[in-house]
Amino acid sequence: RKEVEQDPGPFNVPEGATVAFNCTYSNSASQSFFWYRQDCRKEPKLLMSVYSSGNEDGRFTAQLNRASQYISLLIRDSKLSDSATYLCVVNEKGYQKVTFGIGTKLQVIP
Amino acid sequence: NAGVTQTPKFQVLKTGQSMTLQCAQDMNHNSMYWYRQDPGMGLRLIYYSASEGTTDKGEVPNGYNVSRLNKREFSLRLESAAPSQTSVYFCASSEQVNQPQHFGDGTRLSIL
Repeated sequence: RKEVEQDPGPFNVPEGATVAFNCTYSNSASQSFFWYRQDCRKEPKLLMSVYSSGNEDGRFTAQLNRASQYISLLIRDSKLSDSATYLCVVNEKGYQKVTFGIGTKLQVIP
Repeated sequence: NAGVTQTPKFQVLKTGQSMTLQCAQDMNHNSMYWYRQDPGMGLRLIYYSASEGTTDKGEVPNGYNVSRLNKREFSLRLESAAPSQTSVYFCASSEQVNQPQHFGDGTRLSIL
């Protein structure tokens, strides 16, 4: 089993739709979690950190489910500009290791 | 502030040639990283430097060496390039290892 797994998609959604991505991780000792956004042929950029209590930033909501070992990203009212690949990142506790998921591609359609 | 600066942006090499990819950050970050990104594989960690003076292997270190020259600079060297090393290389930095990373623009490297 891969350490961090994401559905690569693509997810094709109409403008204004709500879309959610999950990311599962295998190491229960994982400590910190992030979502990054990567546009085509560009570098990844931090979208948001994921906190245990869940957190929201505008139209974006991130949640952590430690019992089931997954994190999620919810995007409300999708915009054309949200089209990108969304990468989840997991840091393992006590071990200086960072693992990126393969990314989920989102295409928002007019 | 420039953030993380990588040079060169593009490079074509012949098999067996050597080259060094340069990376510098101006955010006073302690940790720096080198990744490669290939289609269908995602980002894979080659080497990282948790702090100045230390370097450690990541997931795919074979065929590469690194130098943490000072707090700002972290270089990646290919001693004898192979076609399997054709990839996009990203350098990143973070305050500490478990903190969010900031990425450079990437280097597109082709080895013929």
